[in-house]
Amino acid sequence: RKEVEQDPGPFNVPEGATVAFNCTYSNSASQSFFWYRQDCRKEPKLLMSVYSSGNEDGRFTAQLNRASQYISLLIRDSKLSDSATYLCVVNRGSGTYKYIFGTGTRLKVLA
Amino acid sequence: EAGVTQSPTHLIKTRGQQATLRCSPISGHTSVYWYQQALGLGLQFLLWYDEGEERNRGNFPPRFSGRQFPNYSSELNVNALELEDSALYLCASSFRTGYNEQFFGPGTRLTVL
Repeated sequence: RKEVEQDPGPFNVPEGATVAFNCTYSNSASQSFFWYRQDCRKEPKLLMSVYSSGNEDGRFTAQLNRASQYISLLIRDSKLSDSATYLCVVNRGSGTYKYIFGTGTRLKVLA
Repeated sequence: EAGVTQSPTHLIKTRGQQATLRCSPISGHTSVYWYQQALGLGLQFLLWYDEGEERNRGNFPPRFSGRQFPNYSSELNVNALELEDSALYLCASSFRTGYNEQFFGPGTRLTVL
């Protein structure tokens, strides 16, 4: 079982739709969590950090559920420009290498 | 503020040659990470440098090596290039505390012919 798992998708949604992605992690000692966005053939860009209390940035909301060991990303009112791959990143907080990347969930927003 | 920079943008080599890729972190960041991303695949962790020392390496052969300089910039060397080394090589930097976000450079696209 992978340490960080994401549904690869693709999620094809119409413009204006609300879409949610989940990411599960297996290491209960994980300390911090992030969502990155990666456009085709480009570098990942930090979308948002995920805090215990949940956080919102415009149309994007991130939640953390430590009991069930998953994080989620909700995108409201999807735009064509939201089409990208969304990477979940979990920081173990222990061990010599800390950052574990999921393989990403592909989103395609359709006109 | 300048982000992470990488050079060159593209690199074309032939099998058996050596490639050198360079990365400059964000000012104030002491940790540099290298990743390989083959076409259509996820990020594979290669190396982590902090304060001039290699802190960890991923599951790659020894012909992948690197170093970090006193100004925290870093170099990735790939010896005896193989066709399957063709990929996007991404560098990221972060503060050392270990709980912080990583910020990525635009990558170097290495093609091995």
